[in-house]
Amino acid sequence: KAGVTQTPRYLIKTRGQQVTLSCSPISGHRSVSWYQQTPGQGLQFLFEYFSETQRNKGNFPGRFSGRQFSNSRSEMNVSTLELGDSALYLCASSHTSGGEETQYFGPGTRLLVL
Amino acid sequence: AQSVSQHNHHVILSEAASLELGCNYSYGGTVNLFWYVQYPGQHLQLLLKYFSGDPLVKGIKGFEAEFIKSKFSFNLRKPSVQWSDTAEYFCAVGIYNQGGKLIFGQGTELSVKP
Repeated sequence: KAGVTQTPRYLIKTRGQQVTLSCSPISGHRSVSWYQQTPGQGLQFLFEYFSETQRNKGNFPGRFSGRQFSNSRSEMNVSTLELGDSALYLCASSHTSGGEETQYFGPGTRLLVL
Repeated sequence: AQSVSQHNHHVILSEAASLELGCNYSYGGTVNLFWYVQYPGQHLQLLLKYFSGDPLVKGIKGFEAEFIKSKFSFNLRKPSVQWSDTAEYFCAVGIYNQGGKLIFGQGTELSVKP
């Protein structure tokens, strides 16, 4: 099976702009989670979608949002970008949500905000 | 709030040395436990996981981990490291039935000298 794919792989934006990142899960996986990875804060959970519904949310401001489509593909949007949003954004997919589940990660989208 | 603590930020070993990376978590309920590895320039890969049963779990590339419930620990071990094990290692905890959310430790950077 193909792994988790994320597009684009690299992005450069300026403060105040907005950005949309895309994630395609492993075929058959219905849960998609998003994480932010920075040198200072490490890996932090953003949110998780399962069957087009947001099931879980981390402690990020409302500028961070997401959605999931009927084919399980997911997008993450960050509005009004700040310098501190520069990070590697990781997407992970799993077959189920809750119980015993294993998340598989994509390569990430590296976002640089200038 | 749940948290995961990895004791060592950076470990330097010579080839053939034994490895043990510490991981402790704070949560009193049922957890799923994981170790992920991030090789330089690559994405997060699953090393091993524990859901239930035998607390000693074996993963890929000769790694193993032991879950000690009374100590809230899930330490990673390898009897003899290789230069190719140079990477960053992350311990992660999933709260059972809180789908899609992993809480990560800060990571341990392992450098193996040839």
